[in-house]
Amino acid sequence: AQTVTQSQPEMSVQEAETVTLSCTYDTSENNYYLFWYKQPPSRQMILVIRQEAYKQQNATENRFSVNFQKAAKSFSLKISDSQLGDTAMYFCAFANAGNMLTFGGGTRLMVKP
Amino acid sequence: EAQVTQNPRYLITVTGKKLTVTCSQNMNHEYMSWYRQDPGLGLRQIYYSMNVEVTDKGDVPEGYKVSRKEKRNFPLILESPSPNQTSLYFCASSLEQGRADTQYFGPGTRLTVL
Repeated sequence: AQTVTQSQPEMSVQEAETVTLSCTYDTSENNYYLFWYKQPPSRQMILVIRQEAYKQQNATENRFSVNFQKAAKSFSLKISDSQLGDTAMYFCAFANAGNMLTFGGGTRLMVKP
Repeated sequence: EAQVTQNPRYLITVTGKKLTVTCSQNMNHEYMSWYRQDPGLGLRQIYYSMNVEVTDKGDVPEGYKVSRKEKRNFPLILESPSPNQTSLYFCASSLEQGRADTQYFGPGTRLTVL
């Protein structure tokens, strides 16, 4: 069974600064996918970024980028130029080839003006 | 608009009173699933369905039932709800199983069982 661990229950960052959220996972599979989802106060789950394990290049999506370290089983999310609208709960998730998602416990991010 | 809808969005009920939370998607997705979200535990999968008439247990299926009679609908049934099923529930869908396609989530249903 896969496990996903987010070791930072809460974080805060000043507006316009950069913050990195940590995620580690454990799996014996070689082909899998990793995701970061954002959950704002509206509770909607919003996909932020996705990484295929077979790709060495780190995924980027505008101000969001990941640092994927396959050997270390680490998948951190970097948010650059943080904005007030980035305040949310962030979940790291792992999906095997069967598309079953396993989520971490979440990190609550507060962006301060 | 492509979306996953859930009803009701909020529900307060009492122990033992059967309830159904509906989920519908208009994207012709094959794969649908239900999750529950509890503080500190993230989202945990309850049941999933790879296609019509095909369902299987996720990580926390006890106390829940599902059915997939139509491709677009995937209702979650609590035959005899208990207080430990108080949670936030999400339905999700994706194009097909087996490719780890991005899953699209519904808006969530906040359930309280007294």
